[in-house]
Amino acid sequence: KQEVTQIPAALSVPEGENLVLNCSFTDSAIYNLQWFRQDPGKGLTSLLLIQSSQREQTSGRLNASLDKSSGRSTLYIAASQPGDSATYLCAVREGNAGNMLTFGGGTRLMVKP
Amino acid sequence: GAGVSQSPRYKVAKRGQDVALRCDPISGHVSLFWYQQALGQGPEFLTYFQNEAQLDKSGLPSDRFFAERPEGSVSTLKIQRTQQEDSAVYLCASSLMGAEWHFGNGTRLTVT
Repeated sequence: KQEVTQIPAALSVPEGENLVLNCSFTDSAIYNLQWFRQDPGKGLTSLLLIQSSQREQTSGRLNASLDKSSGRSTLYIAASQPGDSATYLCAVREGNAGNMLTFGGGTRLMVKP
Repeated sequence: GAGVSQSPRYKVAKRGQDVALRCDPISGHVSLFWYQQALGQGPEFLTYFQNEAQLDKSGLPSDRFFAERPEGSVSTLKIQRTQQEDSAVYLCASSLMGAEWHFGNGTRLTVT
């Protein structure tokens, strides 16, 4: 059974810092990996989607990398802002499990002004 | 509508009551998922529909949970004889062909 782990569980940084969120998964036979953002009381907003054949995706100040063979992904946030404060979730879609997404437990990020 | 809509936003039920949670996916989206998210945890898969067909219900925690999507659009998640451990946020997501997923804001269920 696929297991997804996110480290750290919580992170507090001053505004302007660059930071890295980590995600690992146990079964490397994935179809794609997606990073989501969740604000309190809200649903999930898709940030970046990386197909299994890709190594990274970039959107603005966000960069996500994927090392499928080692079962790892990182989300890099440059020049963090207070508005980045949220929970960040990674999820993998397995090639052999239909369309189901398996989520990690999330990293709760607080960016202090 | 522009996004996935879920209702009600909040639901308080007394232990033993039945509840029904509604999801309106993005128009034309074939795939629909239900997830359960406990406080401070990531979402856990419950069930998956492709059009009106329920292709996977392996995540439903007990036979008290039932989901349907009779016309391939709106879906309802029903929980019978609610228990305190059912308290969670229930998220619905839809997708056109399994690429990017669009999530609703969820229904927060509290069982007292």
